[in-house]
Amino acid sequence: KAGVTQTPRYLIKTRGQQVTLSCSPISGHRSVSWYQQTPGQGLQFLFEYFSETQRNKGNFPGRFSGRQFSNSRSEMNVSTLELGDSALYLCASSLGVGTGRGEQYFGPGTRLTVT
Amino acid sequence: AQTVTQSQPEMSVQEAETVTLSCTYDTSESDYYLFWYKQPPSRQMILVIRQEAYKQQNATENRFSVNFQKAAKSFSLKISDSQLGDAAMYFCAYRGSNTGNQFYFGTGTSLTVIP
Repeated sequence: KAGVTQTPRYLIKTRGQQVTLSCSPISGHRSVSWYQQTPGQGLQFLFEYFSETQRNKGNFPGRFSGRQFSNSRSEMNVSTLELGDSALYLCASSLGVGTGRGEQYFGPGTRLTVT
Repeated sequence: AQTVTQSQPEMSVQEAETVTLSCTYDTSESDYYLFWYKQPPSRQMILVIRQEAYKQQNATENRFSVNFQKAAKSFSLKISDSQLGDAAMYFCAYRGSNTGNQFYFGTGTSLTVIP
């Protein structure tokens, strides 16, 4: 089975712009979670989608949003980019709550740099 | 909220020796999962080992094993016969039964393997 894929792998944007990141989960996985990883804050949960519905949301401003499509692919969008949004954005997929053995599988991440 | 604490920012081990990484967590839930993930310099997060809280037996995966102490809320990772490829950042993670698919991560331990 193919693993979790994320596109693009690297992105450079300017303050004030918006960005969309994409994640394709492992085939058969219906849950997709997004995390922001920075040296200072570590791994922080952004949100989780399951069957096209947002199930959980972390403590991030409304500039961060996401969605999931019927094929379980997910996108996250960050509007009005700030310098502090520079980070590695990780996507993780899993079968879903109450199924499997609870583990998540991570993609390689998208490195976003805001200048 | 659940918290995960890794008190060792950096650890080092001689090749072929054994090293133990510490992790403690705080939760009021009785049913949950615990994980160790490895993030090599390539940045892809890889699942190392998983433990279900209801299982008293400690999980093992080849050279990796855990010491799960539920009452003490402790979940340490032991790496035996350390190899150069074990060098990475190791993250301890918690997933509760009532928090959807949201994972809580520790701040990580950077493991160096000395040849």
